[in-house]
Amino acid sequence: DAKTTQPTSMDCAEGRAANLPCNHSTISGNEYVYWYRQIHSQGPQYIIHGLKNNETNEMASLIITEDRKSSTLILPHATLRDTAVYYCIVGGGADGLTFGKGTHLIIQP
Amino acid sequence: AAGVIQSPRHLIKEKRETATLKCYPIPRHDTVYWYQQGPGQDPQFLISFYEKMQSDKGSIPDRFSAQQFSDYHSELNMSSLELGDSALYFCASSYTRGAPYEQYFGPGTRLTVT
Repeated sequence: DAKTTQPTSMDCAEGRAANLPCNHSTISGNEYVYWYRQIHSQGPQYIIHGLKNNETNEMASLIITEDRKSSTLILPHATLRDTAVYYCIVGGGADGLTFGKGTHLIIQP
Repeated sequence: AAGVIQSPRHLIKEKRETATLKCYPIPRHDTVYWYQQGPGQDPQFLISFYEKMQSDKGSIPDRFSAQQFSDYHSELNMSSLELGDSALYFCASSYTRGAPYEQYFGPGTRLTVT
């Protein structure tokens, strides 16, 4: 599976959009980009995934660059409950997920 | 909506003892994954099963084994426990009939080895 690079930590003001970047320059053509988050000691939570096109669901939006070498997860109106570690993971099948270091997102009141 | 169920939620064992963790996937999900998360670490994939067959293997120690049963639930068996096995153990499930196979995680079992 392709490796990903994310900032170690980010701050965002409550109510503002949180934009979390991820680099995955070695992604293969059939690999998806997945985003998960983990709120302290809880089970990781699936957020969104994409292959080529931008995606949106009730939780977030995912913007993937045309060359697919990077992506951005957008939480449109961050709340204090969005404080968590966010993981960008690249994979192509039903294999186990390889979690990197992730981004610790802190939402400031 | 039904979620992944793990039992027990907390478990305390002594060194060299054995432990069995159980996982009940979301109804209709056919694939189960096990992850280990040590203190201050990121989750690490151990092993997965699809239709009762091992489908992928990660960093699972030889002292650990797992299986999936006909009702799709799974058990992780851990023997000769060591202090370093103290961790959160997460189970996840997915419906594997076509990509993209997003995984849904349970609340975890916190294992403490003393």
